[in-house]
Amino acid sequence: AQTVTQSQPEMSVQEAETVTLSCTYDTSESDYYLFWYKQPPSRQMILVIRQEAYKQQNATENRFSVNFQKAAKSFSLKISDSQLGDAAMYFCAYRSAAAPGDMRFGAGTRLTVKP
Amino acid sequence: GAVVSQHPSRVICKSGTSVKIECRSLDFQATTMFWYRQFPKKSLMLMATSNEGSKATYEQGVEKDKFLINHASLTLSTLTVTSAHPEDSSFYICSVSRGTGDFSWGYTFGSGTRLTVV
Repeated sequence: AQTVTQSQPEMSVQEAETVTLSCTYDTSESDYYLFWYKQPPSRQMILVIRQEAYKQQNATENRFSVNFQKAAKSFSLKISDSQLGDAAMYFCAYRSAAAPGDMRFGAGTRLTVKP
Repeated sequence: GAVVSQHPSRVICKSGTSVKIECRSLDFQATTMFWYRQFPKKSLMLMATSNEGSKATYEQGVEKDKFLINHASLTLSTLTVTSAHPEDSSFYICSVSRGTGDFSWGYTFGSGTRLTVV
């Protein structure tokens, strides 16, 4: 079974600085999708960014970008120019292309942004 | 993307009673919905996959007689916690997969339901 590991329970960043959240996963599949979700205090899960495993190019969404290393099974999230509104729990998630109904989440990283 | 409405957002019930949580896909016909449970400061745990017109598929360790799921239409799935006990207190979240055939998209989540059993 696929597992997703987020080794940083908590991270802190100064406003306007850059922070990187780590995620590794374990799978024997070659076709899958990876996601980063944000869960602010409201508890609403919000999709931040996604990456298809067959794409070598790293996904980018405004201030958010990923470093996808397929061979290393690593999928880190970089937040540039951090803002106070970025403070939240961040979950890394894996979704198999063969069993798309099954999305696996990491344990989460709580990001604090200091003014 | 899909818009998912979950109701109620908070509910307090007495031990032994049943509680129903609704999940509606407002702009998308969802043949499949997913129910998650999230313990405080923990990750999301998939409880079951709700299939329109058929029985739900439960994850290992989830009691199907305790957590009744009904997916009677393409826009509505309900989760009923039967004979609730304090240990059922948790945050329950539903989600919809936006695309059929395009699974590169993630889920759209409801806003969650905080259940407290007293």
